Amino acid sequence: GAVVSQHPSRVICKSGTSVKIECRSLDFQATTMFWYRQFPKQSLMLMATSNEGSKATYEQGVEKDKFLINHASLTLSTLTVTSAHPEDSSFYICSARDDYAGGPDTQYFGPGTRLTVL
Amino acid sequence: EDQVTQSPEALRLQEGESSSLNCSYTVSGLRGLFWYRQDPGKGPEFLFTLYSAGEEKEKERLKATLTKKESFLHITAPKPEDSATYLCAVQAEFSPGAQKLVFGQGTRLTINP
Repeated sequence: GAVVSQHPSRVICKSGTSVKIECRSLDFQATTMFWYRQFPKQSLMLMATSNEGSKATYEQGVEKDKFLINHASLTLSTLTVTSAHPEDSSFYICSARDDYAGGPDTQYFGPGTRLTVL
Repeated sequence: EDQVTQSPEALRLQEGESSSLNCSYTVSGLRGLFWYRQDPGKGPEFLFTLYSAGEEKEKERLKATLTKKESFLHITAPKPEDSATYLCAVQAEFSPGAQKLVFGQGTRLTINP
């Protein structure tokens, strides 16, 4: 139980284009999802918290106009990187909170999306 | 400020050689402490959640324990497939973003056959 999927797993795009990443909770409903970014050999950095039906809460230093988050249903959140530039290249990982499988507040992570901007 | 420090940064063991990974934390009231395993190029895989000092949880060769200042992940008779980066994270009771996790830098574990 508590499986989270992400699509696509890998994307390469040209500078200036927008890229959308989907995060789905497959076997549970998630009122709260999270988006992280991870640089090589570093730990996870939280970008934003996404609550179903309301606006996302962004961490300090994260541009909300550049990283658009939509949590339209209890099983789907999307992250759109707008006007992507090479410095946006990174490993993006989503997670979803499930209070039942592993205990309250436990987050389950997707497999990640490798974004490369040329 | 809530902080998590993991040690050692990297650890190499021979197959069957037991050891422990440490996670020290400073938090304004602990809501939960979480252990994850991460393989290269993949998302973290959930291992354990601990909520109060004295709590212990086990899964196969792994056992997690919790005190008021730190958590240990004990690995008994590890196998090469246990090689991964192990991440520790805490959730603070009174943080402004109450649901967010604060991660340590991880311990990169290598088990040699």
